[in-house]
Amino acid sequence: QVQLQESGPGLVKPSETLSLTCTVSGVSISSTTFYWGWIRQTPGKGLEWIGTIYYTGSTYYNPSLTSRVTVSIDMSKNQFSLKVTSVTAADTAVYYCARQYFYGSGSPREMDYWGQGTLVTVSS
Amino acid sequence: DIQMTQSPSSLSASVGDRVTITCRASQSIRSYLNWYRQKPGKAPQLLIYAASGLQSGVPSRFSGRGSGTDFTLTISSLQPEDFATYYCQQSYTIPPTFGGGTKVDIK
Repeated sequence: QVQLQESGPGLVKPSETLSLTCTVSGVSISSTTFYWGWIRQTPGKGLEWIGTIYYTGSTYYNPSLTSRVTVSIDMSKNQFSLKVTSVTAADTAVYYCARQYFYGSGSPREMDYWGQGTLVTVSS
Repeated sequence: DIQMTQSPSSLSASVGDRVTITCRASQSIRSYLNWYRQKPGKAPQLLIYAASGLQSGVPSRFSGRGSGTDFTLTISSLQPEDFATYYCQQSYTIPPTFGGGTKVDIK
């Protein structure tokens, strides 16, 4: 069955770079039917979409984060990754990776499979 | 960005109750509206896609309606596992945005 699993450091220092990887199993990340995205959740801001990538390398980013975010894909490992630079305490959140349906045109649609989430704390 | 507003923000109900949650978009999103259930400490789970499509494996007590700016999620008979927080999300345009959530707890 389809599974997504986030991995990466749980603690990052302010001004440094947050790096997470999502390992996908049960489906090829090179499928034309899906985008692969990152979402984070905080008690204060709720659920916030960060960015998403297609197997071609095409990306969409949240305009509020685009200057600090990079999403990349590694089809050889069936993984995709997130980097957020110059982090502050406001980037402390539970980070999720998720699969998004793509129906061939328009934006990526519903998020049907999610990882379990990983808490990243920004603190010195 | 399109703003998604859910109401109520919380409600109390009993097992067997019929529950309806409302989501309003700040502009028309046609039928590009999804609903998720999130249990404490878990990831959101897709329930309804495209306003009224029942996701595979989701019980038929969940149903969704609406188009344009106004949408509803109805749970016809609340079960113990349904005490959770529910979120709507628009997938009409980038960036996809979520509502603030509706927490359903036990009366």
